[in-house]
Amino acid sequence: QQQVKQSPQSLIVQKGGIPIINCAYENTAFDYFPWYQQFPGKGPALLIAIRPDVSEKKEGRFTISFNKSAKQFSLHIMDSQPGDSATYFCAASMVGGSNYKLTFGKGTLLTVNP
Amino acid sequence: DTEVTQTPKHLVMGMTNKKSLKCEQHMGHRAMYWYKQKAKKPPELMFVYSYEKLSINESVPSRFSPECPNSSLLNLHLHALQPEDSALYLCASSQERGSTEAFFGQGTRLTVV
Repeated sequence: QQQVKQSPQSLIVQKGGIPIINCAYENTAFDYFPWYQQFPGKGPALLIAIRPDVSEKKEGRFTISFNKSAKQFSLHIMDSQPGDSATYFCAASMVGGSNYKLTFGKGTLLTVNP
Repeated sequence: DTEVTQTPKHLVMGMTNKKSLKCEQHMGHRAMYWYKQKAKKPPELMFVYSYEKLSINESVPSRFSPECPNSSLLNLHLHALQPEDSALYLCASSQERGSTEAFFGQGTRLTVV
């Protein structure tokens, strides 16, 4: 019930490509869906997040698409650059919940080749 | 300033040692967290402090002992660790427990020998 399933495990694209990372969740009580970007040896950095009342959110080259009925959300990176090479984690939580916990997907290692 | 600062960045300790990890934030956040991250895995929640009180302990072994001396500081005291405890330990903070944005520190890379 608490799982967030993330795919693919790894992804290689050419510079300028549009990598897409997908996540699916089971718990309909989740109401906050962030994406974190993590470079080797660094902590995760919040990239972009969405609440279930919207179907899409864009911030710069990063877009989250959200499908509430399918319980799925995805991250698209437009015009990807080698500097975007990192591990991306989707997550889900219940805002204001008494047992707040970020439930993470297993991560996607993205490589953007020059 | 949206920074969470962790010290030290790297730590090597023997199984009989006692050491502490430190975390500091000056964003006025009232919730602070410890996570453990193994290689190629997502972060795993260990502890949550809300208004300087421990509110969640995710069944963490007693050889890990958290402490929140004030609203800006969070410590993790380590004692009699095992080699399998080697990991990246991450501190995070958010405005309130359960609020939307959680900011992570850079982590302490811990190696137990």
